[in-house]
Amino acid sequence: QKEVEQDPGPLSVPEGAIVSLNCTYSNSAFQYFMWYRQYSRKGPELLMYTYSSGNKEDGRFTAQVDKSSKYISLFIRDSQPSDSATYLCAMNEIQGAQKLVFGQGTRLTINP
Amino acid sequence: NAGVTQTPKFQVLKTGQSMTLQCAQDMNHEYMSWYRQDPGMGLRLIHYSVGAGITDQGEVPNGYNVSRSTTEDFPLRLLSAAPSQTSVYFCASSYPASGRSGELFFGEGSRLTVL
Repeated sequence: QKEVEQDPGPLSVPEGAIVSLNCTYSNSAFQYFMWYRQYSRKGPELLMYTYSSGNKEDGRFTAQVDKSSKYISLFIRDSQPSDSATYLCAMNEIQGAQKLVFGQGTRLTINP
Repeated sequence: NAGVTQTPKFQVLKTGQSMTLQCAQDMNHEYMSWYRQDPGMGLRLIHYSVGAGITDQGEVPNGYNVSRSTTEDFPLRLLSAAPSQTSVYFCASSYPASGRSGELFFGEGSRLTVL
């Protein structure tokens, strides 16, 4: 079993819908949680970064961490076709980017 | 505004051949790493380096070598290519760990096919 599990999808929703992407993990030492976005044939780019439990909002994106359940989520409000991409969760025991552990990635398509 | 540059973008090898994937960054990042991305497996760490002259193994190091002679460059060597090494390879760099977010800066990837 992988340390980080993510439903690979694919997930297809209409424009304007609220999207929920999720990851579960088994390592209770993870404290730093990230979401990366990867467009087709490109490298991933950092979208959201959170520390420990709680919520963080950035425009239409909200990242949520529940350490007691070992569960993290990314919500996208008012989804746009430009949000179509693969979304990867990533986690770390220590602050920084060293040895990040990634989920499998969820492929998301927003239909106009 | 180069960032992380990977070459080649595409490569086809025959089983048993060796090759080097090049990675260079111009952001003066101390940390560099190599990941491979396979369907259903996500990104898996192959090797990483926290500075010139220092390298260490990640999750899937077998069949790969790395070296870090300069801050800018971090080449990945395939010693004797196998079909199981068919993948998309990403080089990524970052600031040091302390006081920084978990932001990795990725190259655009190198697509390798081993026949």
